[in-house]
Amino acid sequence: KQEVTQIPAALSVPEGENLVLNCSFTDSAIYNLQWFRQDPGKGLTSLLLIQSSQREQTSGRLNASLDKSSGRSTLYIAASQPGDSATYLCAVFMYSGGGADGLTFGKGTHLIIQP
Amino acid sequence: NAGVMQNPRHLVRRRGQEARLRCSPMKGHSHVYWYRQLPEEGLKFMVYLQKENIIDESGMPKERFSAEFPKEGPSILRIQQVVRGDSAAYFCASSPLGQYEQYFGPGTRLTVT
Repeated sequence: KQEVTQIPAALSVPEGENLVLNCSFTDSAIYNLQWFRQDPGKGLTSLLLIQSSQREQTSGRLNASLDKSSGRSTLYIAASQPGDSATYLCAVFMYSGGGADGLTFGKGTHLIIQP
Repeated sequence: NAGVMQNPRHLVRRRGQEARLRCSPMKGHSHVYWYRQLPEEGLKFMVYLQKENIIDESGMPKERFSAEFPKEGPSILRIQQVVRGDSAAYFCASSPLGQYEQYFGPGTRLTVT
């Protein structure tokens, strides 16, 4: 059974710092990995998707890497801003062939950027 | 292109009543997924559907919960005889045929009193 762990559970840093959020998963046979952002009381916004054959994806100040063999992904946020404050979720998708399981989520990293 | 739509956004039900949650996928998307987020817990997969077909319901509770995605209209998650433990945020996601990047709706927050 796939399990996803995110470290740290919470992080508070001053504005302007670069930071790294970590995600690990137990079964490396994933189809893809997605990073999401969730604001309080809101839905999920997809930030980056990495296919299993890819090593990294970039969007603006965000960079996500994937090391499938070791079961790890990192989300790098450059020059953090107060508007980046949110919960960041890592999720993996396993394609089972006969059907398709849903995403397996970590519990998230609650990020606060201090102005 | 409108995103994934869910309604109602908030739903209050008394114990024993039925809850019906609706999800309209993004235009052109034929896969629908339902997830539940319990207070202080992560999101958990419930069910995966295509039009008129349940593909994987391994995450659905065995009793009281059902889902459908008819040929016409939105996908429906139905909870019969709700209990307090059903209080949660229920999210729907959709993806295009043959692709597996999921786009999420804003969720329905169910409160059982």
